[in-house]
Amino acid sequence: DAGITQSPRHKVTETGTPVTLRCHQTENHRYMYWYRQDPGHGLRLIHYSYGVKDTDKGEVSDGYSVSRSKTEDFLLTLESATSSQTSVYFCAISESGAAQYFGPGTRLTVT
Amino acid sequence: GNSVTQMEGPVTLSEEAFLTINCTYTATGYPSLFWYVQYPGEGLQLLLKATKADDKGSNKGFEATYRKETTSFHLEKGSVQVSDSAVYFCALNHGSSNTGKLIFGQGTTLQVKP
Repeated sequence: DAGITQSPRHKVTETGTPVTLRCHQTENHRYMYWYRQDPGHGLRLIHYSYGVKDTDKGEVSDGYSVSRSKTEDFLLTLESATSSQTSVYFCAISESGAAQYFGPGTRLTVT
Repeated sequence: GNSVTQMEGPVTLSEEAFLTINCTYTATGYPSLFWYVQYPGEGLQLLLKATKADDKGSNKGFEATYRKETTSFHLEKGSVQVSDSAVYFCALNHGSSNTGKLIFGQGTTLQVKP
């Protein structure tokens, strides 16, 4: 299995508070991705990175920002959490931009 | 735009039954196609892939053939087991700069009964 960890694995937070989720890889892969998974929507791409300090938006990027200061870490920040951001968040990595390998997920609840 | 459509679930089968999960896609150019599996409480795992027309991906008894003429990538298994119970996602890779961005179908839940 690819070495991908996500932290925290579960989080409950209140509306309006900032939240940062962390993805850490030990594979030295170039590409990293953040998705959210919601019933009836499959997985939707939030942001992705194609190198240190190189990031771009996905299809559902509003309300989210990312940073990648090291190859191994990709942070997802919700500046002011809303109830619509309650979801399961998955990080994924890829070496060649082809097949992706996923982390275990973070379940976020915004009350 | 690019999209992936999967058959509605849940699909409920008895052990040793034949499985087909339909997947069709809309895309420009020549995307790569993937099947991922998600077991309860876990992340997605790559099950198989195909990168060009007529390629057949296979793994753990599952197979799927990239059919460009019908824009399909249906998942099949000859004899399912209870341990195959999971959610299956079809996906395509698009992006002119090879960034690996995936578009997923909505997922199909498979339940296998003993």
